[in-house]
Amino acid sequence: EDQVTQSPEALRLQEGESSSLNCSYTVSGLRGLFWYRQDPGKGPEFLFTLYSAGEEKEKERLKATLTKKESFLHITAPKPEDSATYLCAVLQATDSWGKLQFGAGTQVVVTP
Amino acid sequence: KAGVTQTPRYLIKTRGQQVTLSCSPISGHRSVSWYQQTPGQGLQFLFEYFSETQRNKGNFPGRFSGRQFSNSRSEMNVSTLELGDSALYLCASSPGPLGYEQYFGPGTRLTVT
Repeated sequence: EDQVTQSPEALRLQEGESSSLNCSYTVSGLRGLFWYRQDPGKGPEFLFTLYSAGEEKEKERLKATLTKKESFLHITAPKPEDSATYLCAVLQATDSWGKLQFGAGTQVVVTP
Repeated sequence: KAGVTQTPRYLIKTRGQQVTLSCSPISGHRSVSWYQQTPGQGLQFLFEYFSETQRNKGNFPGRFSGRQFSNSRSEMNVSTLELGDSALYLCASSPGPLGYEQYFGPGTRLTVT
């Protein structure tokens, strides 16, 4: 069964304490992997798209990497404003076009 | 550029009724996708429209349907509402078909009583 699993479910960090979030997937025919952040009461905000193993993308304190089985979102020296739920989504190639599946998310809380 | 707008923002309906939600994408975007978000199931893909054609569909019953107009605006309809349809319904627009980065609206909070 195709699955997208994110770990940990929740993460509490001190300001400046770097950490990594994991997104593992068991889909075949990966067309792309996306990272989003979602603040309470808002829609997800796009962060990164990764298309092939070995690819890396960076934005401020965030860095996303992709292997054949998983993706990592590294948060370097986080600040309280990085508190959010981080979602990954996998686009799988199908007969028609693609099938998009989201993970359950990792809730990150950064305390001063 | 204006972001994705969704109307209404909040809605309360009774079991058995039907509901129509509206989404206006970012100007120039031709793809609109719809999602259902609940605490238990997370974010689930409903369907995607690109240039007025449904390109992809998630695993939802036929009670959930949608359409896209020539100006790329989209509507989602849920017929014969059930209590389990209570959720946040999110719309996302993209400059290209599924696979491009998506920009989400604030969502419509639907409560079915």
